[in-house]
Formats: sequence, structure tokens, C-alpha cells
Amino acid sequence: GAVVSQHPSRVICKSGTSVKIECRSLDFQATTMFWYRQFPKQSLMLMATSNEGSKATYEQGVEKDKFLINHASLTLSTLTVTSAHPEDSSFYICSARGSRHGYTFGSGTRLTVV
Amino acid sequence: AQTVTQSQPEMSVQEAETVTLSCTYDTSESDYYLFWYKQPPSRQMILVIRQEAYKQQNATENRFSVNFQKAAKSFSLKISDSQLGDAAMYFCAYRSFDFTGTASKLTFGTGTRLQVTL
Repeated sequence: GAVVSQHPSRVICKSGTSVKIECRSLDFQATTMFWYRQFPKQSLMLMATSNEGSKATYEQGVEKDKFLINHASLTLSTLTVTSAHPEDSSFYICSARGSRHGYTFGSGTRLTVV
Repeated sequence: AQTVTQSQPEMSVQEAETVTLSCTYDTSESDYYLFWYKQPPSRQMILVIRQEAYKQQNATENRFSVNFQKAAKSFSLKISDSQLGDAAMYFCAYRSFDFTGTASKLTFGTGTRLQVTL
């Protein structure tokens, strides 16, 4: 079946630094990728939608300059949290959608900013 | 904009029994898709079942079935013969029929935590 690899699974970074999260579709081409944020015991909140080769579409309230999304190829999307602060600590999940596949989710990244 | 509501934050069921999780949604669209996803403690999102709105027949996947009431905008999940491995967060989700670009995004409900007891 379709597999999406998300790395790292956990990351701790210092306040003010940037961290990159990768989401890679292993056996299919992802025409669209989605990035979600999930707070403890809460639902998934969509941050942005990205299509290969074009700029990401951000949801209202999501800072484009803080959460940089790149979808340079049909198999790779990255989310970079720039100048991270403790309030950015959260669980981030990517989801990939191919032309013949449903939605395949990555295993998530727990980001802790200290 | 579409909204998805799950009114049961937590549910509990005994092993081998049946439990129903509720979900309602609001939309002005006539064609769309509805999903139930499971998120176990590992936090990996797993598709449980999917329903196309244009299909009158309720979807079924082994022990999982839905009761789709389009007019009432209700989409409940029934889990039969509950097993310990069913313990997880369950999210109801909506997607527009148009699957291009941002229209293909999933809108999730707030989730229901299911406990399975012996």
C-alpha cells in the first residue's frame, strides 16, 4: 500500500532556531500534500495545502513566514519552522494524496522548542 | 465552509460489545466524501471507512459499518465485536467531491476517544 515517511519523529530545538520536517511519499507520486498541527488531545488542524511546483496555500491564521512549506517534487514536501518558539511546540503531521490514492498520513513529528 | 461535529469526547465499550460513535456535519454541497479515521496511541492516522455521499448504501468494512443519513447530515460509526486494539481516538472527516488542490483537503471533527474494557 501507499506509504508516507515523515522525519524526524521527534526533535528538540532551541528557541530562535529553525527546524525542518520532511514528508516523503515512498511508492507513489503525491500531487497534493497537507500539513497539520495537532495539540494534545485535540483534532488535526490544517495548516497548509501544497501542490507540486507551486506555492502552498495557507489556512487563515497560519503565518506563512514562520511555517515555510516546499513541495519541490512529487515525492517530497518539507515544512520548516523558522525562528521557533516554545508556543510552536506541537505534533505535526503530513498527509499525501496521489492521483489514484486516498490520503496517506505520515507518522508525525513531535517538536519541542526549549 | 464545512464543519464536522463529534459530540462525544469519550466513549467506553466492553470487549465483544458494540459501540456507535456519532458525527454530524454541515455543508451546502450535494456531493462529498465522509471518512472515519482511527488514531491509536502511536498517533498514526489510519483510515477506517469511507462513504461517498452519492451512494445510498452504507459502507461496511468487516466489524466497522456506518449509518449515513444524508438528509440529517449524520454519519455514525458502528464498531461490532469490539476488541482491545480498537481503543483509539476516532475522527470523522469531510471532503468535497472536487478533489483538486485545496478543495481536496479533509476537515476533521474534534474526535472521540474510545476506551475498550475487559
